Amino acid sequence: KAGVTQTPRYLIKTRGQQVTLSCSPISGHRSVSWYQQTPGQGLQFLFEYFSETQRNKGNFPGRFSGRQFSNSRSEMNVSTLELGDSALYLCASSLTAASSYEQYFGPGTRLTVT
Amino acid sequence: DQQVKQNSPSLSVQEGRISILNCDYTNSMFDYFLWYKKYPAEGPTFLISISSIKDKNEDGRFTVFLNKSAKHLSLHIVPSQPGDSAVYFCAARGGSNYKLTFGKGTLLTVNP
Repeated sequence: KAGVTQTPRYLIKTRGQQVTLSCSPISGHRSVSWYQQTPGQGLQFLFEYFSETQRNKGNFPGRFSGRQFSNSRSEMNVSTLELGDSALYLCASSLTAASSYEQYFGPGTRLTVT
Repeated sequence: DQQVKQNSPSLSVQEGRISILNCDYTNSMFDYFLWYKKYPAEGPTFLISISSIKDKNEDGRFTVFLNKSAKHLSLHIVPSQPGDSAVYFCAARGGSNYKLTFGKGTLLTVNP
C-alpha cells in the first residue's frame, strides 16, 4: 500500500507570493491533518479535514487555508508569504478523525521564503 | 501555551546504554499518548503509544511509562543503537477533540 505523498518536496518562494501544497493520503484514509515544523517550535497543528470538512483548526492566521477533495486528497494554501513561513509542512492521514492515534505522515514539503 | 513539553532539546548516549526521553503535559483531558521518531528529510513515524488506563507499554527495545499523577511520561530505549539517532516527538490527544498535540522534540544521538 502506498504511503502518504506530498508534492512538491521542495519549494522556494518570495515574500508576498502565495503557495499551494498538495497531499495524497493513504488509500482508504479519509482524515488529513497538516502540521508546520520549525526548529524552535516542533510540530504545530494547522488543521484537519475529514470528509471534505474542516474539523479542527490550529492557531494560525487566516493566510493559512486548506481544503479536501472528494477523493480525500488535500491542499494547503498560504497567501502573502512571510519569511517566518519558512518551514517543513507535514501532512498526515488516518482512517477516520477518531483514529488519529494511527496517523501516518508524509515526507513533508520544505518551503523556503526569501 | 505549551500543553506538551519536552524540556530536553537533545540527549547523547553511548551505544548499548539506556536512553530515557521525557515528556510532561498539562492538559488533564489527555488520555492517549504517542511517541514518534523522525529522521532528517522524512516524516515522523509512529513508535509506541500508551493509553491513560495503563502505566506501562513495552514493544521490543522500547518501553513507555506513564505517571498520570505527575502528568509525565517517558520513553526508554534499551539497548540504544546508533540507528536510534533521530528526533523523538511526544504527542497527546484527549476529549472529543482527536487532534494530536506535539512536543517540540528531543534530538537523540547514540554514539558508537
